[in-house]
Amino acid sequence: QSALTQPRSVSGSPGQSVTISCTGTINDVGGYPYVSWYQQHPGKAPRLIIYDVNDRPSEVPDRFSGSKSGNTASLTIAGLQAEDEADYYCCSYAGRYTLVVFGGGTKLTVL
Amino acid sequence: QVQLQESGPGLVKPSETLSLNCAVSGYSISGDYSWGWVRQPPGKGLAWIGTISHSGTPYYNPSLKSRVTISLDTSRNQFSLRLNSVTAADTAIYYCARQSDRGLYYESGTSYHPLNWFDPWGQGTLVTVSS
Repeated sequence: QSALTQPRSVSGSPGQSVTISCTGTINDVGGYPYVSWYQQHPGKAPRLIIYDVNDRPSEVPDRFSGSKSGNTASLTIAGLQAEDEADYYCCSYAGRYTLVVFGGGTKLTVL
Repeated sequence: QVQLQESGPGLVKPSETLSLNCAVSGYSISGDYSWGWVRQPPGKGLAWIGTISHSGTPYYNPSLKSRVTISLDTSRNQFSLRLNSVTAADTAIYYCARQSDRGLYYESGTSYHPLNWFDPWGQGTLVTVSS
């Protein structure tokens, strides 16, 4: 069982927006501004798409955005495209003892 | 461009030690980042194994701490993972990645650098534990 809870799957049609949630506790997501998100296509390594809750690497399209409210972080993908179909994982710093925790992953299907 | 490449045996026998290296190109491992290992059992999610800072301080997942060792080899610009007493549950794709620790926060009067985002990642290597 993963430390952070994500929905197992979400779906949307091309052009729509989808949001993936990542729920933790005050000891991880809620306690620190260090949440990151990764996109993973089948057979490929994960790719960083959001860091520090809502910052984006320069090469990531601005259709991807992150936010946080309390113990829940969210990834929103606007203007869905076929190539967005992938697995998405959240990750958070969890303090000086547990250190790093991942979510269980969410499979995004573009209908 | 920073690149990471994992290497090591693809098959390890139960109770033996899994050993992997991660060769880094395009950046010195003595620079301002930490270096981490993450694994992914077939069909499952990502799990953090551990990280070593550029100065050689290791940090381990508490659930694996008794079996894991991560070390730096600055002469070869690579870092390594050793996981002993492996079982079938350790079968996974093992990824190495550069990890940011550039933040700073204070707790009880002491400053800490949080282990933060991973980027870039190696392509991953499948390690199967089987006799």
